Amino acid sequence: EIVLTQSPGTLSLSPGERATLSCRASQSVIGSYLAWYQQKTGQAPRLLIYGSSSRATGIPDRFSGSGSGTAFTLTISRVEAEDFAVYYCQQYGSSPWTFGQGTKVEIK
Amino acid sequence: EVQLVESGGGLVQPGGSLRLSCTASNFTFSSYSMAWVRQAPGKGLEWIAYISRSTVNIFYADSIKGRFTISRDNAGNSVYLQMNSLRVEDTAVYYCARSPVNSYWLTYYFDSWGEGTLVTVSS
Repeated sequence: EIVLTQSPGTLSLSPGERATLSCRASQSVIGSYLAWYQQKTGQAPRLLIYGSSSRATGIPDRFSGSGSGTAFTLTISRVEAEDFAVYYCQQYGSSPWTFGQGTKVEIK
Repeated sequence: EVQLVESGGGLVQPGGSLRLSCTASNFTFSSYSMAWVRQAPGKGLEWIAYISRSTVNIFYADSIKGRFTISRDNAGNSVYLQMNSLRVEDTAVYYCARSPVNSYWLTYYFDSWGEGTLVTVSS
């Protein structure tokens, strides 16, 4: 089973700042099959990125994903008030498909 | 807008059973694979079950294998999760999620989610 480790655990930012979230895999993620989700308190997750770097439908271009192998990054170019949430990465190249433990982006 | 609505959650004693349902609307249900993902209180996400469009491919996480069964009814636009031999550690919000299909690359990610249904296993 591929273990995904996200860092930092919490990211404190002011609106307008850049957010860089890391997701590291215990072994190489086949085909860069990695997705990112956003979850706000009390809500269901929302798909942001799939295939490491492809934005899902309706996702603003301030969200971008990159990486391959064992190291992946989600970047929010300029954080807006609505972006404060928990972010999860998920690998889907090898069963069982696994999620990271999450990074919380909070208002500084 | 895609809609996924879960139902069937509730309080059950350890060793008991529950059947979760998820009704889909506003998309061609039979063209998508479906999955269940759960989230224990205050914890992260855990994929637990997946069923392909035609039910040819069904996968389970080890944590629920042999106890839970996923199924679907394409005519009724619904997917189900039969949960038997429930344990305290199965307490979670259970989300129904849609998984797209593509002939050229893997698509075991989840592009639409329901709001979830809470299952509490406690005596």
